[in-house]
Amino acid sequence: IAGITQAPTSQILAAGRRMTLRCTQDMRHNAMYWYRQDLGLGLRLIHYSNTAGTTGKGEVPDGYSVSRANTDDFPLTLASAVPSQTSVYFCASSAAAYSNQPQHFGDGTRLSIL
Amino acid sequence: GESVGLHLPTLSVQEGDNSIINCAYSNSASDYFIWYKQESGKGPQFIIDIRSNMDKRQGQRVTVLLNKTVKHLSLQIAATQPGDSAVYFCAENRNDYKLSFGAGTTVTVRA
Repeated sequence: IAGITQAPTSQILAAGRRMTLRCTQDMRHNAMYWYRQDLGLGLRLIHYSNTAGTTGKGEVPDGYSVSRANTDDFPLTLASAVPSQTSVYFCASSAAAYSNQPQHFGDGTRLSIL
Repeated sequence: GESVGLHLPTLSVQEGDNSIINCAYSNSASDYFIWYKQESGKGPQFIIDIRSNMDKRQGQRVTVLLNKTVKHLSLQIAATQPGDSAVYFCAENRNDYKLSFGAGTTVTVRA
């Protein structure tokens, strides 16, 4: 059982470059989420999608965009990377959006912007 | 404002002892809480959850206690093992069903 697959696992990127982080889930979950994790700040929500075809902004959406063309995939794009976007990025999913159900996480993408 | 926090950033436990990890929350309207475990280089892993209509819930070697009066959540791990060494996060389901995470407690198990 794969669960959530994120790619790449790590990346070093020059500032100003465009980068797409990939996320795929095989659990047929309706809701998906992108978080960034920074030391001392915990997990902060960047964007989310309650169901295929819809997306929403989280706490820290600036500089990021997402799309949800189908149930399984939820890519995160940095249009023009900046050093402050150096972080570990986690994708998560839950069975339904507006319900008390746990989110399940991938193993993250470690991104360094130079 | 809403916040989820942990009382202590680190916890050192002797192997075989019980561990208690604490978490405070400020939103009295929160009705769902989750504990996650994160090992180095991995994503957060679901441990156990509890709804606000419960005070206690038990899993395999873990127990979550919820005290709504003082807005306090705790995770108890019985007979702590080396594999329990990790960062533990509590998360709170906000009114919009988005999770709010604490900064985490690092648990180190001493042999």
